[in-house]
Amino acid sequence: QLQLQESGPGLVKPSETLSLTCIVSGGSISSSGYYWGWIRQPPGKGLEWIGSIDYSGSTYYNPSLKSRVTISVDTSKNQFSLKLSSVTAADTAVYYCARSSYSISRRPAEIDYWGQGTLVTVSS
Amino acid sequence: QLVLTQSPSASASLGASVKLTCTLSSGHFSYAIAWHQQQPEKGPRYLMKLNSDGSYIKGDGIPDRFSGSSSGAVRYLTISSLQSEDEADYYCQTWGSGIQVFGGGTKLTVL
Repeated sequence: QLQLQESGPGLVKPSETLSLTCIVSGGSISSSGYYWGWIRQPPGKGLEWIGSIDYSGSTYYNPSLKSRVTISVDTSKNQFSLKLSSVTAADTAVYYCARSSYSISRRPAEIDYWGQGTLVTVSS
Repeated sequence: QLVLTQSPSASASLGASVKLTCTLSSGHFSYAIAWHQQQPEKGPRYLMKLNSDGSYIKGDGIPDRFSGSSSGAVRYLTISSLQSEDEADYYCQTWGSGIQVFGGGTKLTVL
């Protein structure tokens, strides 16, 4: 059974960089046919896709966050990471990592596995 | 622009059925979607991928009570024989041109 687990600091200061890692177990992140991505959910609000990466490093980002986001993959450790720079209070949210299948055009499609999520609070 | 629209809330009685809707924006009526369930204080769970022709593939362990259907721009999630644990937020998700989009979610109350 595939499992994804987020890890990282729960508190980040304004203007600093938020960094999270997702460890994948029960399957290989190098498997062709999947994207690995990040989604966030501000308290009491809906889901927002941040971006996705495949094993080869091909990335897609939410246009509204693209200038501040970097997603990378480490196949040797079977994990992938998120960096979000210049954070503000508006970036306070539960951050989820997830797996997506490929679409016909080899881009991220339906999300079929989710991590449990980790709350990141931006505050001084 | 690729947008998904969901009703903010729905309610139905224990043991009854409910049909939730997710509407695709104009020009995107052929798109597939996925349905996800988020129970209180938990992370989302994948329910199914639903195609424009109404065919669907459910995730592992999803009960037979959950089914999907499609009509034009609208994608449906039907939950039959409602149980208390079905009280949750339900999100639809779609994708295109490398981006992924979520609907605003529907909060389902089981009476």
